[in-house]
Amino acid sequence: DSGVTQTPKHLITATGQRVTLRCSPRSGDLSVYWYQQSLDQGLQFLIQYYNGEERAKGNILERFSAQQFPDLHSELNLSSLELGDSALYFCASSVSGGPYEQYFGPGTRLTVT
Amino acid sequence: GDSVTQMEGPVTLSEEAFLTINCTYTATGYPSLFWYVQYPGEGLQLLLKATKADDKGSNKGFEATYRKETTSFHLEKGSVQVSDSAVYFCALKNPNTGNQFYFGTGTSLTVIP
Repeated sequence: DSGVTQTPKHLITATGQRVTLRCSPRSGDLSVYWYQQSLDQGLQFLIQYYNGEERAKGNILERFSAQQFPDLHSELNLSSLELGDSALYFCASSVSGGPYEQYFGPGTRLTVT
Repeated sequence: GDSVTQMEGPVTLSEEAFLTINCTYTATGYPSLFWYVQYPGEGLQLLLKATKADDKGSNKGFEATYRKETTSFHLEKGSVQVSDSAVYFCALKNPNTGNQFYFGTGTSLTVIP
């Protein structure tokens, strides 16, 4: 158990809908990262937050947004869903500075039908 | 920019065979290097890491040495087991670029009895 929790574990929704994925980082970690993993694209970095502020952006679509709240949990919002958004979404957390590794949550499997 | 390049898979080995998965990186300065493993249906787990040149990370019989002169961090194991079947990701974290993580595309390993 990495200490990072993600909910829900599975999500099935229709095209055009909007969903929210939730992540709670390990106790004491201030950085949260979101990744998308699909069969054809591999592991894609989406966005990073540090202590409530956006720190880095990767290949995140404009239909997607995220935020980190004062209690450090984070939410990833996906809107106007398309079939191609079906993927595993992982959250990871880390101590920001230094050579510290990321700890990954178990992921949310999103299926868009 | 920073990047990680891994050998393409899939890799199929017989039990007790020697494993090498190549990883090279591009980064300025002195990044930290990591190997993560993803077992079927699970999130990524840290396998080993090295934080400076010539460091050797090791865990569960796996080893990797941080070679700055060849910008490489190849993963090796002397005798693989069926339970090592998984996807392996090489990654780097660079303090010069805000401690963002960069992952390789992953290498799928299947070990057959």
